[in-house]
Amino acid sequence: GAGVSQSPSNKVTEKGKDVELRCDPISGHTALYWYRQSLGQGLEFLIYFQGNSAPDKSGLPSDRFSAERTGGSVSTLTIQRTQQEDSAVYLCASSLKSTGELFFGEGSRLTVL
Amino acid sequence: KQEVTQIPAALSVPEGENLVLNCSFTDSAIYNLQWFRQDPGKGLTSLLLIQSSQREQTSGRLNASLDKSSGRSTLYIAASQPGDSATYLCAVMDTGRRALTFGSGTRLQVQP
Repeated sequence: GAGVSQSPSNKVTEKGKDVELRCDPISGHTALYWYRQSLGQGLEFLIYFQGNSAPDKSGLPSDRFSAERTGGSVSTLTIQRTQQEDSAVYLCASSLKSTGELFFGEGSRLTVL
Repeated sequence: KQEVTQIPAALSVPEGENLVLNCSFTDSAIYNLQWFRQDPGKGLTSLLLIQSSQREQTSGRLNASLDKSSGRSTLYIAASQPGDSATYLCAVMDTGRRALTFGSGTRLQVQP
């Protein structure tokens, strides 16, 4: 079966533009996570969705960041008015249940010029 | 706040050696601990998941142990191969939060 799919794999944008990153989790997985990995930094938790529960947004770095998950499946991470410090690899993961094994996608590399 | 530390930060060994990667965490109230590998420019590949009630898990040449009370885990790699070269990441899931906290990783180079 297919793994976690992310698009685009690479995105170059100009400072101030909005970007959308997409994640298609493994079919049947109820939990979905977004992480950010900056050069020389560890993995930083951004947001977590579990079924129909309210998402845990505690990791979002500013109100320019938002995410939604439609129909309990595909998720979109939106970054408004991008800044150079937003440049990073954005990784999505899904899990069969909230305390289960996480499976990651290949990531979306964002470069803000 | 949970903190995860991995030692060493980098390791270079000749092919065939057995090696141990270390992970420590500050809060022992965890659901599970997971080991991943990451190849350059790639996502994370799950290697082993240890539930808090378990002491160890094995997969092929890999063995991971968990000592929750002391806040430690080790990843043992037997008979290392050049294809094992990658960054190895340890992550814990706290009981109070359904998100993994990651260590900074150990960058492993296995010399042929």
